[in-house]
Amino acid sequence: KAGVTQTPRYLIKTRGQQVTLSCSPISGHRSVSWYQQTPGQGLQFLFEYFSETQRNKGNFPGRFSGRQFSNSRSEMNVSTLELGDSALYLCASSLGTREETQYFGPGTRLLVL
Amino acid sequence: QKEVEQNSGPLSVPEGAIASLNCTYSDRGSQSFFWYRQYSGKSPELIMSIYSNGDKEDGRFTAQLNKASQYVSLLIRDSQPSDSATYLCAVTSGSARQLTFGSGTQLTVLP
Repeated sequence: KAGVTQTPRYLIKTRGQQVTLSCSPISGHRSVSWYQQTPGQGLQFLFEYFSETQRNKGNFPGRFSGRQFSNSRSEMNVSTLELGDSALYLCASSLGTREETQYFGPGTRLLVL
Repeated sequence: QKEVEQNSGPLSVPEGAIASLNCTYSDRGSQSFFWYRQYSGKSPELIMSIYSNGDKEDGRFTAQLNKASQYVSLLIRDSQPSDSATYLCAVTSGSARQLTFGSGTQLTVLP
């Protein structure tokens, strides 16, 4: 089976711009979760989508949003970028049951200048 | 307050030794426990999952869970230089499927 894929792998944006990141889960997986990883805060949960519905949300401002399509692919959007949004954004997919393991994609590294 | 605590290290062990990585968590309702390995510049890779008290072995890796003490550990036997990475402990609680991560322990295996 192919793993989780994320595009683009690298992005450079300037403050105030917006960005959209894409994630394709493992075939058959219906849950997609997004995480932000920074040196200072570590890995933090952004949100989870299951069957096109946001099922859980972390403690991030409303500038961070996402959606999921009927084929389970997911996108996350960050509007009005700030310097502190520079991070590795990771997508993880799972079947969606409570104990199910989450498998991470390679990540999108975002640099905000 | 951090919900998942790990010794940040760095932890150095000689090749062939046992590396012991520890993690404590604050939520007694935590139900699923995971160890991920992350090489520099890469994404986390699952090593082990454990759900019930006791030991779980997979090759050179053994995960140990003690829910009464709210403690989970990872032992790496016969450590190899290729095991040098940051090891992340992650926990899920209640009905939420989100992973709460510790800050990670950086392991270096010296040849």
